[in-house]
Amino acid sequence: GENVEQHPSTLSVQEGDSAVIKCTYSDSASNYFPWYKQELGKGPQLIIDIRSNVGEKKDQRIAVTLNKTAKHFSLHITETQPEDSAVYFCAASSRARSARQLTFGSGTQLTVLP
Amino acid sequence: NAGVTQTPKFQVLKTGQSMTLQCAQDMNHNSMYWYRQDPGMGLRLIYYSASEGTTDKGEVPNGYNVSRLNKREFSLRLESAAPSQTSVYFCASRGTRNGGQGVEAFFGQGTRLTVV
Repeated sequence: GENVEQHPSTLSVQEGDSAVIKCTYSDSASNYFPWYKQELGKGPQLIIDIRSNVGEKKDQRIAVTLNKTAKHFSLHITETQPEDSAVYFCAASSRARSARQLTFGSGTQLTVLP
Repeated sequence: NAGVTQTPKFQVLKTGQSMTLQCAQDMNHNSMYWYRQDPGMGLRLIYYSASEGTTDKGEVPNGYNVSRLNKREFSLRLESAAPSQTSVYFCASRGTRNGGQGVEAFFGQGTRLTVV
């Protein structure tokens, strides 16, 4: 089955700096890579996703890059703000897997210091 | 449009007690999932249902059962709760897109379960 590894587990940055979270996956058939943000006491919420036919995607201060050869994808947050503080999860799924199950990384606790 | 609704939000059980966690979605999604979230371990799939009438085991199914009551509802049952089942449980649903492209999974707010 799929295995997704996520690093780092905790990340502290100064407000205005950039934050980068990295994930690797094992199943070469995976073709969909979402990133979720989870605020305290809430369920995860999608912030950006990328499909395997694209190498990079941006949405305002958030960008995701995908390297299919290396089976590696990353989340980049620029000009961080205190409200970016949360737990971030990467995930991967494959069209071939039943119900297109998502396999999640272990999460990154991001703290943006004012 | 409420999205994914889970009940209850909090529950304390004694070892050996049983309970059912309820989940309902109003987005007409075919696929529904139950995850558990433990510190440092991310979200692990317990059971899933690809469509109404079907259910399958995920990564950590032991000690749980599920029922896909209809397209909207997917419940998770703990028959005899154990302290190791203390966790936060999330229900999610996901639709499909033409051509089989991956689409967003929507999550409920979670059920915080403590087994003493």
